[in-house]
Amino acid sequence: QSVLTQPPSVSGTPGQRVTISCSGSSSNIGSNYVYWYQQLPGTAPKLLVYRSDQRPSGVPARFSGSKSGTSASLAISGLRSEDEADYYCAAWDDSLSALLFGGGTKLTVL
Amino acid sequence: EVQLVESGGTLVQPGRSLRLSCAASGFTFDDYGMHWVRQAPGKGLEWVSGISWNSGIIGYADSVKGRFTISRDNAKNSLYLQMNSLRPEDTALYYCAKDGATGTTRRYWYFDLWGRGTLATVSS
Repeated sequence: QSVLTQPPSVSGTPGQRVTISCSGSSSNIGSNYVYWYQQLPGTAPKLLVYRSDQRPSGVPARFSGSKSGTSASLAISGLRSEDEADYYCAAWDDSLSALLFGGGTKLTVL
Repeated sequence: EVQLVESGGTLVQPGRSLRLSCAASGFTFDDYGMHWVRQAPGKGLEWVSGISWNSGIIGYADSVKGRFTISRDNAKNSLYLQMNSLRPEDTALYYCAKDGATGTTRRYWYFDLWGRGTLATVSS
């Protein structure tokens, strides 16, 4: 069981807005930045959000990250079929002195 | 072209050793920290180890501490992972990943470029 907790799956229809949550503690999300990665089927992960709410160049504005206390969220608006993928949150943990990933959330576009 | 290419993955027996390599190109390798991240078949991502640009800061996941050693050769634009005392649970696709910023401390480590991975299988 991961220290960073994500729902195993979420789903939505095209055009809809969905959110993926990531719950942690004071030693990780509560005191450090959160990062989000997208992994399309059969491919390597890709950075979606860095430093909790920043988007790398080339990532559409439909993807947005936020953080509050010991939880973080990734929101995807205007859902598209090509967004169907696994999404992972990540954060440094000061107590474990390790970089942690959440267990991952599979997004299904219905 | 900016890319990372891993190699060295193969089938190995439990208790044996394996060395993974990652060749970097298209960016100034010695400006950035580098990492290994693994993914067991059908499972999620797990950070394995990271190393700063000058090898001065190194970190490991508890699951590999004492068995794996990360290193880099900036003259060769290469990253390595020496894996000893391998266990079946080390079976995974091992990704090489570039840190997203220069001169960062461990708590700011993240990954903005990934390779395609190399598969290490530990089985008798």
